[in-house]
Parts: sequence; C-alpha cells; structure tokens
Amino acid sequence: GAGVSQSPRYKVAKRGQDVALRCDPISGHVSLFWYQQALGQGPEFLTYFQNEAQLDKSGLPSDRFFAERPEGSVSTLKIQRTQQEDSAVYLCASSLVGGQPQHFGDGTRLSIL
Amino acid sequence: KNEVEQSPQNLTAQEGEFITINCSYSVGISALHWLQQHPGGGIVSLFMLSSGKKKHGRLIATINIQEKHSSLHITASHPRDSAVYICAVPYGGNLIFGKGTKLSVKP
Repeated sequence: GAGVSQSPRYKVAKRGQDVALRCDPISGHVSLFWYQQALGQGPEFLTYFQNEAQLDKSGLPSDRFFAERPEGSVSTLKIQRTQQEDSAVYLCASSLVGGQPQHFGDGTRLSIL
Repeated sequence: KNEVEQSPQNLTAQEGEFITINCSYSVGISALHWLQQHPGGGIVSLFMLSSGKKKHGRLIATINIQEKHSSLHITASHPRDSAVYICAVPYGGNLIFGKGTKLSVKP
C-alpha cells in the first residue's frame, strides 16, 4: 500500500503484559514519529526517528516505553509491564524528511484491562 | 499551558451550514497543519499553510501569522464532514496538536 500502515489496529492486554506495536512507514520516508492520543485529547509526541537514529525520545512517558527502527524503515513501539493509563491510540506518522508534511497511519487502539 | 488552543471543542451543525473552527497558538511557527480524524482513528492531512489562504473543495483554511491565529471553514457542510478537526504546529522537530474540534453535521 502507499500509506503508513500500523498493526494491530486494536490490541487488548491485561495489566502487566508487554505489548509491541508496529509501524510500516511510506517507502523512502526518512522521518518517523510516534504519538500517543488519549481519549478526547489531541495526539502527543512520543519519539522521533531519522532513518534508524532515534533523535528525540523526550515524549516517552516512562522507561517502560521503548521504540526502535533498526533498519530505518519499520518501527516498533514496545510497552513493558503495561498499566491502565497506557490505554490510548498510538499513532505513527512518516515524512519524506523533517519539516515536510507528515502522513499518518490509522493508529493502534490499545486497551489495558 | 497549551501551546495550541482550538475552539469550539464540540460543534453540531445542520447540513448545508457554514462551519468555522478556530486555532490559536503561542509558539513561533513556520507553518500550521489542519488535520481530520475520523472515528476509526486515522488522521488525514487537510492543509499545511504558512500564510494567507488555501482552498480545497469545500474546505478553506486561513492563517494570520502576526496574530498567531488560523481558521478552518467548511462551506455547504455535509454529514460526511463529521469528524474531529485538529490543528497542529511544528515545534522542535515534531508537531504540537490542539485537542481537536468534534464536528457533527446532522442531515
């Protein structure tokens, strides 16, 4: 497909479980962003990659959150020992380079029981 | 303090009405984004503008850089326009988002 692809679309996990969310950006896009969107709120920045380098992870809420993009394309956001407050939609976006319009995926809706 | 403020938070309109959604921001920016988010969660970029006005179909976006204010207008609104409209500004390499305006257009 031509767009940003995220999987799974929905994820339900029990508190304490680890989860992994995948983002497949548009081919050739250098920049990749992860955002967290709580119910009724706008998205909030989590982390940013330029190719495989994680240039900014200032938005990650705790050390339970970890993101990687080892080959500069697909990215994975991992949340360890999930808590109820982690329930949110996790959005991935990519852009050709920094400063260019970001293209968003459909998001992964994570529910922690 | 929110760097990006949107109003109104919720908006209900009748089909055919002219819609205006406002966005004010406090940071210095080079451009502003208007995004549309449908209930499924996916976000679509509508406009990126740095000055003046842009038009795409029934959508019009304006920005006043000096006043740090932007508006999104929808002419002849339709139920399929029902969505959350979010403005976002680039800051520090990523985007800062408003909380969104939830628009419901009734037939």
